[in-house]
Amino acid sequence: QSVLTQPPSASGTPGQRVTISCSGSSSNIGRNTVNWYQQLPGTAPKLLINSNDQRPSGVPDRFSGSKSGTSASLAISGLQSEDEADYYCAAWDDSLNGSVFGTGTKVTVL
Amino acid sequence: EVQLVQSGAEVKKPGESLKISCKGSGYSFTSFWIGWVRQMPGKGLEWMGIIYPGDSTTRYSPSFQGQVTISADTSISTAYLQWSSLKASDTAMYYCARAATVTTFDHWGQGTLVTVSS
Repeated sequence: QSVLTQPPSASGTPGQRVTISCSGSSSNIGRNTVNWYQQLPGTAPKLLINSNDQRPSGVPDRFSGSKSGTSASLAISGLQSEDEADYYCAAWDDSLNGSVFGTGTKVTVL
Repeated sequence: EVQLVQSGAEVKKPGESLKISCKGSGYSFTSFWIGWVRQMPGKGLEWMGIIYPGDSTTRYSPSFQGQVTISADTSISTAYLQWSSLKASDTAMYYCARAATVTTFDHWGQGTLVTVSS
């Protein structure tokens, strides 16, 4: 059972903006940075955002991350068909002394 | 180019032991943490634990502590995940990943599918 909660699904039409939330607590998001991962169907996850809002090299700038208090968000602007995937937030949890993933959000492009 | 290549799919019976591997290349294997992540069929990602090959420091999720063992052999740049007695509930895809920081998995292996069935 994950300690980071995400909506199970989100959707949008091509070109729209989609936002995914990640809700945690003071022991994880409240004290540590958040990463986001994208998992395309049948493939390994890929780092999408690290340190709350940093895009690794090669990640399109339509992906952006933010954090406030014990919650974080991932935004996808200008949604494209290839963005259809599962998205997971992750953060270190000081109480567990380990990292935790969010419950995951499936993004569908209508 | 950083690469993590995992061992092939396994089919095992309950009670059997298993050790799967993850070979790193294209970077200094002893300078980065390596983590393991479980994904059960149709489910989300679960952080299992990590190891720092440079000094073998290991940390486990409470959910996996005592259930699996994470190790590494620096002479062949390979990390391992092992079970002493598999259960049907261990059926899952297992990913290894390099950790740029203890919390950030920046490169991932292709995954190893473990099936445990009588």
